[in-house]
Amino acid sequence: NAGVTQTPKFRVLKTGQSMTLLCAQDMNHEYMYWYRQDPGMGLRLIHYSVGEGTTAKGEVPDGYNVSRLKKQNFLLGLESAAPSQTSVYFCASSYSITGENTEAFFGQGTRLTVV
Amino acid sequence: SQQGEEDPQALSIQEGENATMNCSYKTSINNLQWYRQNSGRGLVHLILIRSNEREKHSGRLRVTLDTSKKSSSLLITASRAADTASYFCATDALAGGTSYGKLTFGQGTILTVHP
Repeated sequence: NAGVTQTPKFRVLKTGQSMTLLCAQDMNHEYMYWYRQDPGMGLRLIHYSVGEGTTAKGEVPDGYNVSRLKKQNFLLGLESAAPSQTSVYFCASSYSITGENTEAFFGQGTRLTVV
Repeated sequence: SQQGEEDPQALSIQEGENATMNCSYKTSINNLQWYRQNSGRGLVHLILIRSNEREKHSGRLRVTLDTSKKSSSLLITASRAADTASYFCATDALAGGTSYGKLTFGQGTILTVHP
């Protein structure tokens, strides 16, 4: 059982370039999330999805777009990368938001450097 | 904005000792969760405590929640070198509707357990 898989694991971009981070989960989870982690700041929510075909903005959505065309995949796009987007990006999914199975399962992260 | 603030930022102890980490938050919550992150890896869910619970145990972990003080603590008993990691509290805020499992993280406590 792979859980939550993120690709790529590492990437270096030049300012202004674009890229897409892929998150795939095989647990049939309805809810998916993208977070970024910066030193000393914990994780901050970028965008999230409550089901196939839906997306919504989180705390720090500017400069990012997302899509959830298939239930198992959640894509995070950077249209024009900026050095401020240098960070470690984590995807997470959860089965439920009520009841017992509300914990989030995280991928291993994508370390992105924008130069 | 950071919902959770954790204390201490770093904790260094000897194997066999207990480790206590504290978390404060600002708004009303559905639940509070603790996660562990090994260096360079994704986050792993440890324990969830709901707003109507005051204490919860899981193996060597004990979590308390005081909603009147908006604070929580995580106690790891009989620590091991393998417990060395960063520990994060995360709150699922009660915000006048469904939060959809969106988590707000503290900045984390770095725990080092010396053999």
